[in-house]
Amino acid sequence: GQSLEQPSEVTAVEGAIVQINCTYQTSGFYGLSWYQQHDGGAPTFLSYNGLDGLEETGRFSSFLSRSDSYGYLLLQELQMKDSASYFCAVSLYNFNKFYFGSGTKLNVKP
Amino acid sequence: DAGVIQSPRHEVTEMGQEVTLRCKPISGHDYLFWYRQTMMRGLELLIYFNNNVPIDDSGMPEDRFSAKMPNASFSTLKIQPSEPRDSAVYFCASSFVSLTKLTNTGELFFGEGSRLTVL
Repeated sequence: GQSLEQPSEVTAVEGAIVQINCTYQTSGFYGLSWYQQHDGGAPTFLSYNGLDGLEETGRFSSFLSRSDSYGYLLLQELQMKDSASYFCAVSLYNFNKFYFGSGTKLNVKP
Repeated sequence: DAGVIQSPRHEVTEMGQEVTLRCKPISGHDYLFWYRQTMMRGLELLIYFNNNVPIDDSGMPEDRFSAKMPNASFSTLKIQPSEPRDSAVYFCASSFVSLTKLTNTGELFFGEGSRLTVL
């Protein structure tokens, strides 16, 4: 089977930096993705790490360490609109299957 | 592109009734996934198709659930008979994986979901 662990909730202030961690245990690991979901909305893709290291996309960065089965999402210059749930997801066997973590609810305060 | 289209957006039904959820994936995508989201269990993978063929249905909770993909532009998820514990948001997602492109991300494109309430 597979398991993904991420914190259930994080609170930060506008303009700050926040890091959301994800640890996973799975077989057939191929890569780690991050998705954002606003209340009542659909998950939307943020980033993907297939190799170790940091991927940067604007204010968001994502990191993967395969040897540690660990990754994180880094959000910089937080804005109120970043308040949402963030999910890490492992892809298996060349994107054939995707399993999601339980999600981290990010509360951004003024 | 219109994105992944799901219908109905909301469905309220009574226990024992048949429910059919529909999905139109993005044109050209070769993978289609059905997920269920609840507060207790999060996003659960129910089944996925590749080129209209069901590949893995190990996430389908019971025989009351069935899914079909008769062609590349349409899929259904059916629950019969429905039970209150089936109440959830059901998401359909599609993706495209290029066999030649080295920078695939496997990005899933989700529909807006079908919110099912079984009374």
